[in-house]
This record gives sequence, structure tokens and C-alpha cells, in this order.
Amino acid sequence: GEDVEQSLFLSVREGDSSVINCTYTDSSSTYLYWYKQEPGAGLQLLTYIFSNMDMKQDQRLTVLLNKKDKHLSLRIADTQTGDSAIYFCAVLVIGAGSYQLTFGKGTKLSVIP
Amino acid sequence: DTGVSQNPRHKITKRGQNVTFRCDPISEHNRLYWYRQTLGQGPEFLTYFQNEAQLEKSRLLSDRFSAERPKGSFSTLEIQRTEQGDSAMYLCASRTGNTEAFFGQGTRLTVV
Repeated sequence: GEDVEQSLFLSVREGDSSVINCTYTDSSSTYLYWYKQEPGAGLQLLTYIFSNMDMKQDQRLTVLLNKKDKHLSLRIADTQTGDSAIYFCAVLVIGAGSYQLTFGKGTKLSVIP
Repeated sequence: DTGVSQNPRHKITKRGQNVTFRCDPISEHNRLYWYRQTLGQGPEFLTYFQNEAQLEKSRLLSDRFSAERPKGSFSTLEIQRTEQGDSAMYLCASRTGNTEAFFGQGTRLTVV
């Protein structure tokens, strides 16, 4: 099955850019998502990218997809203290009877004022 | 429609009791997922519905767990004879076609 890996922690200074990385194993992944989770809360969809795209930009967020290396990244420009949260990478694979959205363990982003 | 709704938000139950959670997806979404999230972990897939059909179940979904989506709209997840290891956040998500999946706020279950 699909395996999604993320580094567990990232610490950045306010105003700097944050880059959160994710690798996955299944090359037939169709959609790749980034979710944000604040303490005690559910998952907030931040952005997603379809597998035939290389890049997607949405305000302060930039998603880069390298299909060859099965690597996905989320860049947050001008990181603010309100961006402190856990960020989950998730991959949707459709095929062979599977419709799962598989998540990484999450990267905890700490923003230092 | 304001998004995926889950009820209750919190549930505390004694070990051995049965519990049932409800998920109301976004109205036009025909695909519905249940996930479980324990502390410090990412969400783990439990089951998937397309309309009223349950098309996929994880091996995590033991025979004490059952999920239904009788009319292809809301879904329920029941846990029978709860155990302390069932304590977790239970998340529901919905989507339509090949679109993003939206999650509810989750139901936090504590088994004491």
C-alpha cells in the first residue's frame, strides 16, 4: 500500500519562509493534499495538486510536485505565528479497488516570534 | 451548507459500552470516508462509501466496528464493546468526483 513520510518537526522565525516536505511511494497517486491541524481541531484543507501538475500557488502557499522523485513540498511565505500547527501531507490513490486517502504522520511547525 | 458536520464533538464512555457517531457530509458529495486519529499520529483510514455502498474497509475496522450510510447521505459509525484502545479522534470526510476531500471537526472518544 501507499506509504507517506514527513519530517516530524520544523522551526522557523516569523517572516521567514517555511518548507515542509513529503515523500510517497505509489506512483499512481492522483491527488496530493496539504491539511493543517491546530490543537484539538479537525483537519483544514489548505491546498491540493493534481498529479499532472508541477506547481500550484495560492497566496502565501506554493506546492511543488516532483513526480519522478515522488516528492511533494509546501512552502509558506512570510510565515506568521498563526501558522503554527501540524501540517499533514495526504495522497489519494484510486485503483485496484482502493480509494484511500493516505496521510503522513504530520510535521509540527513552530514559528518563533 | 457549511461543511462536513460530525456529532457528537466529544464522547466519554465506559469500557464495554456501545457508542455511535454521526457524520453529515457536504450535501452534493457522494463519497464519504471515516478515519481514526490517535495522539501524535496522522489520520488512519477506516472505511469508504460511494453513495450507500461501502466499497473499502481497513483491517483496522475490527468486527466491533460497523459503519453504515443507508440512503447515501449521512453515515454512522458504531463501536460495540468499547475498549480503552478505541480512544481517539474519529474524523469524517467527504468529496465528490475527483475533488478535494473536506473533513469535519471530528468526534473525540474517550473510553474510561
